[in-house]
Amino acid sequence: QSVLTQPPSASGTPGQRVAISCSGGTSNIGSNSVSWYHLVPGTAPKLLIYSNNQRPSGVPDRFSGSKSGTSASLAISGLQSEDEGDYYCSVWDDSLNGPEFGGGTRLTVL
Amino acid sequence: EVQLVQSGAEVKKPGESLKISCQGSGYTFSNYWIAWVRQVPGKGLEWMGIVHPDDSQTIYNPSFEGQVTFSADKSFSTAYLQWDRLEASDTAMYYCARHRAWMGESTTFFYDYWGQGALVTVSS
Repeated sequence: QSVLTQPPSASGTPGQRVAISCSGGTSNIGSNSVSWYHLVPGTAPKLLIYSNNQRPSGVPDRFSGSKSGTSASLAISGLQSEDEGDYYCSVWDDSLNGPEFGGGTRLTVL
Repeated sequence: EVQLVQSGAEVKKPGESLKISCQGSGYTFSNYWIAWVRQVPGKGLEWMGIVHPDDSQTIYNPSFEGQVTFSADKSFSTAYLQWDRLEASDTAMYYCARHRAWMGESTTFFYDYWGQGALVTVSS
């Protein structure tokens, strides 16, 4: 059971906007910055967002992140088939003195 | 181009030992911590801990301490994850990743590059 809660699944049609939430507590999201990752079987996981809302170079601006209090959110606009896969939030946890990951959200593009 | 390339899939029996590797290229390997992350089939990601290639300093997630060993050889730009005695419960995908963290009043942390993963199957 992860200390960061994500919905197990999300879906949308091509072109739509979807948002994935990540809920935590004061020792993690409430204190530190959040990152988001995209996992597709057979490929290396990819960093999408760091420092709550920063995109690494090469990540399209269709991906955006936000944080408020002890929750964070990843939004994907203009959904594409290649966006399918699992999305994980992550944040440093002061109680663990290490990073925690959310349980993951499987995104399906219908 | 920064890359982390992991060794291939392994099939082992309970009680056997195993060492998997993660070779970095495209950057100064000894300057960055390498993390190991586990994904049990059908489950989420778990942080196992980190190793610093320059001096082989290690920090383990308490949940994994004593169960695995991290090491590194900076002359080969390679980090390793080792088991002395595998158990069926070690069956998982194992990822290495470049660990970036700035500690302070608010900690900024992320993994900017990942290996492709190594599937370890432990079965009699």
